[in-house]
This record gives sequence, C-alpha cells and structure tokens, in this order.
Amino acid sequence: LAKTTQPISMDSYEGQEVNITCSHNNIATNDYITWYQQFPSQGPRFIIQGYKTKVKNEVASLFIPADRKSSTLSLPRVSLSDTAVYYCLVGRYTGTASKLTFGTGTRLQVTL
Amino acid sequence: DVKVTQSSRYLVKRTGEKVFLECVQDMDHENMFWYRQDPGLGLRLIYFSYDVKMKEKGDIPEGYSVSREKKERFSLILESASTNQTSMYLCATAPFLLAGGSYEQYFGPGTRLTVT
Repeated sequence: LAKTTQPISMDSYEGQEVNITCSHNNIATNDYITWYQQFPSQGPRFIIQGYKTKVKNEVASLFIPADRKSSTLSLPRVSLSDTAVYYCLVGRYTGTASKLTFGTGTRLQVTL
Repeated sequence: DVKVTQSSRYLVKRTGEKVFLECVQDMDHENMFWYRQDPGLGLRLIYFSYDVKMKEKGDIPEGYSVSREKKERFSLILESASTNQTSMYLCATAPFLLAGGSYEQYFGPGTRLTVT
C-alpha cells in the first residue's frame, strides 16, 4: 500500500493561498490521489481528486508532478472557515477490495 | 444529497461487552466502509463491504467483525470490547465503480466510543 506523509500542521492568515503537500513515494500505477477536509465532530468531506497533472474545481486545485510521488493541494484565499484537518488519500478500487491509505492529516489554522 | 447516519454520536461501554455500531445510507451505494480515527494516526480502514453479505478486511480488522444483511445497512461489531478500542468510528459509503477506478466517499458524522 502507498504510504503518505503530510505536514502535521500549518498556519495561515486569512486571504492567503495555502499549499499542502503530500508525499507518496510508492504510489502504484493505478492509484488515484484524493483530498478530504474534516471539521471537528464531523466526518471527512471530499474536496478534490486527480490522477496526474492539474485538477481544479470551485474550491481547490490539485497539482501532481509527472512522477506522481507527491501532490499539492492548493486553497486560494483561505478564510477562517477553512480551518480544518486536510487528509491526503492514495488508492484505487479493485472491484472486490479497497486499497486505500489515508495520511495522518494536516491541521490548518487560519487566523485574521 | 447522500445521507449517511450512524446509530449513536457517543457511546460508553464496559470492557468485555458486545458492542454494535450501525451505519445506514440512503443512496443505494454498493460500497460501505468502517474506519477508526485516533489522534496522530489518522483514519484507518477496519472493514470494507462491496455488496450485501460480502466483506473484506481492511488494515486493522483484529477485534472487529461486520455484518451487511441489507444494502443500506453496515454494522460493526466489537465482540468483546477492550479499552484500546476507545476511538472515533466513522462509516463511509461510495457508489459502484469498475475495477481500477477511484471514487468519492461519503462519511457519516462518527460515533465516539469509550470503553471503560
């Protein structure tokens, strides 16, 4: 299984762009990279997913280099409500099995 | 919207008790998951079910069993609860996908279980 490594915590001011990097050196050929956001007392919530290059949606961008050994979640102009734990997930669905690895999460603190 | 509900938000049990945690989803998803979440360890997969009565062990199945008799319901069972099973338990669901793909998981709010 692909092991993921993320920074334990990050701090940012409101309005700044935040980049959180996840390392996954032994990612498998068919693995996808997914990021989730979790607020206290809630389950994680899907943010974005990608396989290679760049993916963008209305809340975040995901950058994946050609070797796919890392990925970077980019949050543009964060606000106080973006304070949460962000998880990087590497894996794939194999039909009858789930090969998944969650990172330990990055706690993002946004202040004024 | 997908709705994933868990039977309890908070639960306190004694060592040796049999504990049932139940998860119900209303979106007809084939896949259901049970995770536990502990500080510093992130989310770890306990069991996974891809169809009724079908299950696969995750990374930490020891001390747990599961039951899926109906598509919408996935139960996690602690046969004899121990203090090291004190944790947050999260249920998730995902729709059917062809093998080799990926998917978005929908999580429930979690059950915080304390075993004394």
